[in-house]
Amino acid sequence: NAGVTQTPKFRILKIGQSMTLQCTQDMNHNYMYWYRQDPGMGLKLIYYSVGAGITDKGEVPNGYNVSRSTTEDFPLRLELAAPSQTSVYFCASSSGGLGYTFGSGTRLTVV
Amino acid sequence: DAKTTQPNSMESNEEEPVHLPCNHSTISGTDYIHWYRQLPSQGPEYVIHGLTSNVNNRMASLAIAEDRKSSTLILHRATLRDAAVYYCILSALNAGGTSYGKLTFGQGTILTVHP
Repeated sequence: NAGVTQTPKFRILKIGQSMTLQCTQDMNHNYMYWYRQDPGMGLKLIYYSVGAGITDKGEVPNGYNVSRSTTEDFPLRLELAAPSQTSVYFCASSSGGLGYTFGSGTRLTVV
Repeated sequence: DAKTTQPNSMESNEEEPVHLPCNHSTISGTDYIHWYRQLPSQGPEYVIHGLTSNVNNRMASLAIAEDRKSSTLILHRATLRDAAVYYCILSALNAGGTSYGKLTFGQGTILTVHP
């Protein structure tokens, strides 16, 4: 039982580059989320999805885009990387908003 | 979502019980109380949740005050593996609403467990 799988685990980007953070879950959860966590801080919600084809902004969506074409996958896209996007990114899923399962995170550095 | 207040840090000895408090004086009737913990260099991990009644699971117990303005996460016998940041979070679950269980993480309580 894999749960929530995030790739890559680490990435260094140059300013202005783009990348996609991948997230896949195998629990058939309808709800999926992307959070970022800056050093010493709590997690902040970037985007969330309540089902395939449905996404909405969270607290800090600027500079990011998402899509949800299947129940299993919820990729996060960074179009023009900026140093302020240096953070650890966590993907999560839940059934009805209870008992989230989080991935192990992607540590992103923008230089 | 209503806010929660937790102590910045707490310490415990191994094999002793730990009581982690959380104040949520502005909680609404539809708010669930969630607890998550985050071990170093890992993603958050679900611990327990409740609405009105006390809850027990294999990891912990959740004691909810009668007026629901505070709650306490109880670890019955702390181990070194329980050293983590513990987050108390409120989230309204409304099938017809807009929160969709979105969790707003605060700073949490850093729990240190001494051998």
